[in-house]
Amino acid sequence: EAGVAQSPRYKIIEKRQSVAFWCNPISGHATLYWYQQILGQGPKLLIQFQNNGVVDDSQLPKDRFSAERLKGVDSTLKIQPAKLEDSAVYLCASSLDFLGQGPSWMEQYFGPGTRLTVT
Amino acid sequence: QQQVKQSPQSLIVQKGGISIINCAYENTAFDYFPWYQQFPGKGPALLIAIRPDVSEKKEGRFTISFNKSAKQFSLHIMDSQPGDSATYFCAASNPGYALNFGKGTSLLVTP
Repeated sequence: EAGVAQSPRYKIIEKRQSVAFWCNPISGHATLYWYQQILGQGPKLLIQFQNNGVVDDSQLPKDRFSAERLKGVDSTLKIQPAKLEDSAVYLCASSLDFLGQGPSWMEQYFGPGTRLTVT
Repeated sequence: QQQVKQSPQSLIVQKGGISIINCAYENTAFDYFPWYQQFPGKGPALLIAIRPDVSEKKEGRFTISFNKSAKQFSLHIMDSQPGDSATYFCAASNPGYALNFGKGTSLLVTP
């Protein structure tokens, strides 16, 4: 079974520029998450989707960050304009279902991440 | 604020020894407690997880101990190997919702 795919793997931009990240979750996973991981810290949720609807975007800096999952499969996360403090690894994760049944529906699987450096 | 507190920040263990990482949480609504292992340049990988209805879960060399009354849980790695050297994160959540991660423990297993 293929894992969560993310691209690009690395990105270097100057502050005030824009950048977009792409994620393709595990096939059949209805729930998709974007996390931000700053160096030396644990991942922090930015946004959670259930199919193409938003479950939680309370920690997304909406003045500069946006995300969409139009067809309920892959997703893009955009930053415009970027700030120096946005330098981090952006992780995408997926899980089988939202409030589902069975022993493993809540397990979240992470992609390799996109390392963003803002100069 | 940090909803899950993890210690120690770093840990050095000799090969064959036991590695122990501890976590504490405040939100009694949390109902799912996974541990993740992360190697440099990789995403976190699910290692083992527990729900509060059991006090211990073992998978191979990895064991989670859970103390609901103390709101604490820990990861024990038995017979630690150099290949276990990585960063370990505990997390907690309401099932189906986003994970709240600890700050991580950098484990080094020396030969």
